Amino acid sequence: NAGVTQTPKFRVLKTGQSMTLLCAQDMNHEYMYWYRQDPGMGLRLIHYSVGEGTTAKGEVPDGYNVSRLKKQNFLLGLESAAPSQTSVYFCASRPGQERYTEAFFGQGTRLTVV
Amino acid sequence: AQSVTQLDSQVPVFEEAPVELRCNYSSSVSVYLFWYVQYPNQGLQLLLKYLSGSTLVKGINGFEAEFNKSQTSFHLRKPSVHISDTAEYFCAVSPLGNRDDKIIFGKGTRLHILP
Repeated sequence: NAGVTQTPKFRVLKTGQSMTLLCAQDMNHEYMYWYRQDPGMGLRLIHYSVGEGTTAKGEVPDGYNVSRLKKQNFLLGLESAAPSQTSVYFCASRPGQERYTEAFFGQGTRLTVV
Repeated sequence: AQSVTQLDSQVPVFEEAPVELRCNYSSSVSVYLFWYVQYPNQGLQLLLKYLSGSTLVKGINGFEAEFNKSQTSFHLRKPSVHISDTAEYFCAVSPLGNRDDKIIFGKGTRLHILP
């Protein structure tokens, strides 16, 4: 029962470094999302995808890029990390338009940029 | 566009007392509504959801919520809280029948259970 798996769980980056967060889901879901969670700000949508090969911007896309080359994976990239990107990142997936239901979340990635 | 307002950032309540966490939303189209719970250092898990039908929705752990279309509200209630309910609670909305399938979350309400 893997569900949604995020890799890594923790990471410390230096300002200017790059990294990729991986989200993998084994539920054959069409829709996938990346959120960031900051104290007092709730979850804010960074980017999302409604199917393999598609991506779209959310509320706070600046400084991030994403790719959905395979249906089960959704990658979030930081090309040049900044301290403002220190946050907890959550990935989520959802079946799709034909079967509306809730989103399923990963356990999060805690990223610190120093 | 949709938005969600959770009116209280923190709610303290005594153990075994009732609690209501308030959620109001704004949308130009019909929406699905959700409440999620996040326990410390964990991901989010679904408490309950409103998709259609009865406006009173029952969820896990004794929680329930009532959808009020005229007031655009989806308040979460529990008649008697337990120390294990200490967590952060998020209200979320998603538009119906729309390819642009974003899920928008409120800022969360932290529930503190007092002994």
